[in-house]
Amino acid sequence: GNSVTQMEGPVTLSEEAFLTINCTYTATGYPSLFWYVQYPGEGLQLLLKATKADDKGSNKGFEATYRKETTSFHLEKGSVQVSDSAVYFCALRGGGANNLFFGTGTRLTVIP
Amino acid sequence: GAGVSQSPSNKVTEKGKDVELRCDPISGHTALYWYRQRLGQGLEFLIYFQGNSAPDKSGLPSDRFSAERTGESVSTLTIQRTQQEDSAVYLCASSLGGGLSTGELFFGEGSRLTVL
Repeated sequence: GNSVTQMEGPVTLSEEAFLTINCTYTATGYPSLFWYVQYPGEGLQLLLKATKADDKGSNKGFEATYRKETTSFHLEKGSVQVSDSAVYFCALRGGGANNLFFGTGTRLTVIP
Repeated sequence: GAGVSQSPSNKVTEKGKDVELRCDPISGHTALYWYRQRLGQGLEFLIYFQGNSAPDKSGLPSDRFSAERTGESVSTLTIQRTQQEDSAVYLCASSLGGGLSTGELFFGEGSRLTVL
């Protein structure tokens, strides 16, 4: 079946620190992979995506590379800002599925 | 409004009562999804509507849960005879088209349900 396992939080970093949030998946077929973000008081929104192996999704300084060999899609950012404080969700869509499968979310807090 | 609107934002109810949660998707979005998020857990798929097609109800946890959608507009999620384990945030999302080729679901802020 389809499932996503992501790094448990919460994660607290100082401004300008390097961020990694791990995400691994189990899927049938060839899934598409996503990171969603939920800022305080807002709904989830798409951050980035990758639809095939070795694709790199990027947005707002965040990156994630679709690694089929390790079934991973880790989120990285070289220098976090206070405004990046949010909950981050890894998700996948298995082939032919109508829905996205989400991880449990990782809360990131960036302190000045 | 411009985004997905959900109401109520918070609902506290007694065990055994029925509740209705409403979702108003983005205008023109033909696909609508309901998810549930229990404390400390990931988003759990409940149901999917696409246009006039039969909904995908495969995620509904029991027959106490049902959902309707009028055309391509408002959807209502109904939970009958609520139980404490129904306490969660119920999230609604909409998207363009039936497929998820872009993966971009637009989420509302959710309805937090607490069953006492």
